[in-house]
Amino acid sequence: DAEITQSPRHKITETGRQVTLACHQTWNHNNMFWYRQDLGHGLRLIHYSYGVQDTNKGEVSDGYSVSRSNTEDLPLTLESAASSQTSVYFCASSPGGNEQFFGPGTRLTVL
Amino acid sequence: GQNIDQPTEMTATEGAIVQINCTYQTSGFNGLFWYQQHAGEAPTFLSYNVLDGLEEKGRFSSFLSRSKGYSYLLLKELQMKDSASYLCAVPVGAGNMLTFGGGTRLMVKP
Repeated sequence: DAEITQSPRHKITETGRQVTLACHQTWNHNNMFWYRQDLGHGLRLIHYSYGVQDTNKGEVSDGYSVSRSNTEDLPLTLESAASSQTSVYFCASSPGGNEQFFGPGTRLTVL
Repeated sequence: GQNIDQPTEMTATEGAIVQINCTYQTSGFNGLFWYQQHAGEAPTFLSYNVLDGLEEKGRFSSFLSRSKGYSYLLLKELQMKDSASYLCAVPVGAGNMLTFGGGTRLMVKP
């Protein structure tokens, strides 16, 4: 069955390190999104992509970057991890239209 | 811009009915989504309203009033497994992005 996966599911890192979170979907969806979820803030959009080689900044993009070299993957990179980036990260994809399908999430702790 | 408001927490009794409200202000309107999210899990799609009125889907119904910028999710015959967060979201811009409210944490008690 088609699905969307994220890895790792849990990550602990240190301040200043570069971290990459993987997102992989097998639905062949053009649209992919990264969110972070924090208590009191709900889901906030970090970056999104509407297709290969397309990337766009979301509401809270500072300190994050993405790349889209193929349809299936949208890795999220934290260039220099900060404690404020401790959060749960969700990747989502969409075929067009607005319904989005979410991955299982990655819990990131920055010490 | 977009502004979405939902109550932070609600408590209800098993077997009862609960209504979770969502108010929104958007520069354009392309429908409203409701997602359910159990603790530690991913959000999952519940409903999408683009026209005014009530849409029923089993024990869950969703209502929309575009003129009032208001929606609600109605859960009937509550079960313990309905304990979760319920997220209201609206599409933004011409693309497929969603802006989410903070979510309403529903606790169902015996």
